[in-house]
Amino acid sequence: DSGVTQTPKHLITATGQRVTLRCSPRSGDLSVYWYQQSLDQGLQFLIQYYNGEERAKGNILERFSAQQFPDLHSELNLSSLELGDSALYFCASSVGFEFSYGYTFGSGTRLTVV
Amino acid sequence: QQQVKQSPQSLIVQKGGISIINCAYENTAFDYFPWYQQFPGKGPALLIAIRPDVSEKKEGRFTISFNKSAKQFSLHIMDSQPGDSATYFCAASKIETSGSRLTFGEGTQLTVNP
Repeated sequence: DSGVTQTPKHLITATGQRVTLRCSPRSGDLSVYWYQQSLDQGLQFLIQYYNGEERAKGNILERFSAQQFPDLHSELNLSSLELGDSALYFCASSVGFEFSYGYTFGSGTRLTVV
Repeated sequence: QQQVKQSPQSLIVQKGGISIINCAYENTAFDYFPWYQQFPGKGPALLIAIRPDVSEKKEGRFTISFNKSAKQFSLHIMDSQPGDSATYFCAASKIETSGSRLTFGEGTQLTVNP
């Protein structure tokens, strides 16, 4: 157990629907990162939050949004889902920068859009 | 400027052999180069990392070689074992105290035959 908890583990939904992925960071970690892993795009950075504030944004679609709550857990909202959104979505967390420990990844949420 | 190129895409090695995975980056602002190991159904886990002020770092059977002038770095796995069979990702980032995004390579699927 990495200490980063992602729920749900699996999600199957239809095109056009909206889903919410949840991430609880490792205890004490202030930064939360979201990554998308697909076969053709590899691991792509989506967005980072640090202590409740958006810190960096990658190639995140406008249909996707995220937030980090006061208790530091984060949610990734995906709307108007398309078949191409099917992927593994990983959350990672860190205190800030940690050379020795890097970013701790959760086990991911596998999203299947049908 | 943000890309990290990784090769080979797949690698098959006999038990006891040396596995070598190479990465090249473009952005000279990168100053942190980790390698992640990912097993099926799991999130990536930090294996070893290096800063550009050193040319080599060794941890057990894993060694990173870093060539700053060529903007290349590589992972060597000595005495490869079947348990090392996994997908390996190189990554790079610019260190920030609050943490920062990782730009990942495309991944290398390593198979170590017994």
